[in-house]
Amino acid sequence: DAGVIQSPRHEVTEMGQEVTLRCKPISGHDYLFWYRQTMMRGLELLIYFNNNVPIDDSGMPEDRFSAKMPNASFSTLKIQPSEPRDSAVYFCASSQGPRNWGTEAFFGQGTRLTVV
Amino acid sequence: RKEVEQDPGPFNVPEGATVAFNCTYSNSASQSFFWYRQDCRKEPKLLMSVYSSGNEDGRFTAQLNRASQYISLLIRDSKLSDSATYLCVVTPGKMTTDSWGKLQFGAGTQVVVTP
Repeated sequence: DAGVIQSPRHEVTEMGQEVTLRCKPISGHDYLFWYRQTMMRGLELLIYFNNNVPIDDSGMPEDRFSAKMPNASFSTLKIQPSEPRDSAVYFCASSQGPRNWGTEAFFGQGTRLTVV
Repeated sequence: RKEVEQDPGPFNVPEGATVAFNCTYSNSASQSFFWYRQDCRKEPKLLMSVYSSGNEDGRFTAQLNRASQYISLLIRDSKLSDSATYLCVVTPGKMTTDSWGKLQFGAGTQVVVTP
């Protein structure tokens, strides 16, 4: 398996523009997570899905952020409009979930977003 | 108080030495614990799970102290390649299908192994 695949790896955009981050989880994994990592705040869980259904989006910073998972093999995180404070590394992760207690979460390589 | 707290370090360790550091958690109902490793500008990767009785994986030993609500990681015979940030991960409490996903990450402890 190729692992969790994220695109793009790097994104530089101007303030006010729409940004879409993409993720393909590992096949067979029921859970998909979106995290954001910054030096100041560390790794923050934004939202996670179980079987394509959003379970908890309490970590989404504000209405400018939205996430979808139209099928088991694809998810997007959209920021509209983007702001400089959104600059961070965004990670997508997937796992099998509690069917196998203690199973690990596999992370993608991340998207490094810079909003100027 | 943060739910998961770690000493950010850096812990500067001579090659071949032993280093140990802890992570404290606030939720006494937490059931599962992990150590993840993150290299600079890379994604986090699971290093090891932490079991109640403590467990060892090669040069790495993890311990759990439920009474004091902390977990520890000890690295023996440090290698240059052990230089990384070590993230403590804790589940929020009783595990359910819906709550499982809310893994709580600490901010990480940086370890720098020097020649």
